[in-house]
Amino acid sequence: DAKTTQPPSMDCAEGRAANLPCNHSTISGNEYVYWYRQIHSQGPQYIIHGLKNNETNEMASLIITEDRKSSTLILPHATLRDTAVYYCIVKGNAGGTSYGKLTFGQGTILTVHP
Amino acid sequence: EAGVAQSPRYKIIEKRQSVAFWCNPISGHATLYWYQQILGQGPKLLIQFQNNGVVDDSQLPKDRFSAERLKGVDSTLKIQPAKLEDSAVYLCASSLIRRNTGELFFGEGSRLTVL
Repeated sequence: DAKTTQPPSMDCAEGRAANLPCNHSTISGNEYVYWYRQIHSQGPQYIIHGLKNNETNEMASLIITEDRKSSTLILPHATLRDTAVYYCIVKGNAGGTSYGKLTFGQGTILTVHP
Repeated sequence: EAGVAQSPRYKIIEKRQSVAFWCNPISGHATLYWYQQILGQGPKLLIQFQNNGVVDDSQLPKDRFSAERLKGVDSTLKIQPAKLEDSAVYLCASSLIRRNTGELFFGEGSRLTVL
């Protein structure tokens, strides 16, 4: 699976949009971009994933550049409860029994302040 | 829908002692994972099961760690003997066998402190 690079930390004001970047310049054609987050003392939580089109769900939006070498997770109206470590993970879905495995990096610590 | 259940939440032991962690995945999830998360780092996969078979245990320190999922449902992770560097949160996750979602559901973890 391709390696990802994320900033170690970011701040955001409550109510504003939080834009979390991720670089994955070695991503291959069959690899998806996944985002998970981990709130303190909890297990990681799935947020969203995409292949090449932009995606939106009730939690966030995922914007993937046309060349797929980078992406941005957008939390449109950040709240204090969004303070967490956000992980960007690139993973192939080419099948096989180990396709589900996730390889986590260090992630971005997002702090939402009042 | 009930989530992934893990126990105990916290465990403190001395080095060279043994410890066991239990995980009950979401009903119907065939794939089960054990991750180790050391403070300040992202989770690292230790072992992956599909039903009751091991799919990937390449990062499991097999001299001291063992895991089983005998009936394809619950799983137990054991450490014997524990070392100081085993202090970590042990996370269990489960997922359906579904090619294009890849969503893993994690439990709250079991925090191990080795003194």
